[in-house]
Amino acid sequence: DVKVTQSSRYLVKRTGEKVFLECVQDMDHENMFWYRQDPGLGLRLIYFSYDVKMKEKGDIPEGYSVSREKKERFSLILESASTNQTSMYLCASKVGGPQETQYFGPGTRLLVL
Amino acid sequence: QQQVKQSPQSLIVQKGGISIINCAYENTAFDYFPWYQQFPGKGPALLIAIRPDVSEKKEGRFTISFNKSAKQFSLHIMDSQPGDSATYFCAASVPGNQFYFGTGTSLTVIP
Repeated sequence: DVKVTQSSRYLVKRTGEKVFLECVQDMDHENMFWYRQDPGLGLRLIYFSYDVKMKEKGDIPEGYSVSREKKERFSLILESASTNQTSMYLCASKVGGPQETQYFGPGTRLLVL
Repeated sequence: QQQVKQSPQSLIVQKGGISIINCAYENTAFDYFPWYQQFPGKGPALLIAIRPDVSEKKEGRFTISFNKSAKQFSLHIMDSQPGDSATYFCAASVPGNQFYFGTGTSLTVIP
């Protein structure tokens, strides 16, 4: 079974703090994604990565950065957390090529005070 | 703008009934249309998917109907069960590119 794990299920941070969200997948997938999920807005793509050290902006990259130093790990960084970044963050991975299934982690619920 | 429009936002169905969720898109380059199911506290998981060369795909009680000319696709859940209560997301993608998700439908199946 594909397993995508996220470092925390719940996080509470203060405005202005630097926040790291970690995601690890164990299936040697080339592609990894970070989404945020908000009621009524669905899943919105923040960043994705096709390979180590490669990254592409999604639809809402402002206020976020990412790092992919190893194939299995994809980190999302909030440089200076703000209250409007309170959300559920979901990581996903998939193989490259025609197989399109994305496998999601359980999510991290972030509250910025 | 929303690339994939999903309706309804919420749905309540009696046990044994049929649940229907609809999605529409504009980008004719989309060629993969998955549906994801998400239970509370869990990440979304692939439920069923279709490519536009077929008009229908059925897996157990779950069926995707696809209308290429209308640029619409829908999920039908037959004989809905309380265990089907979850949030459902439709999505669309171009090969090798990002997925675009609908806004989600919260389904409640009452016994």
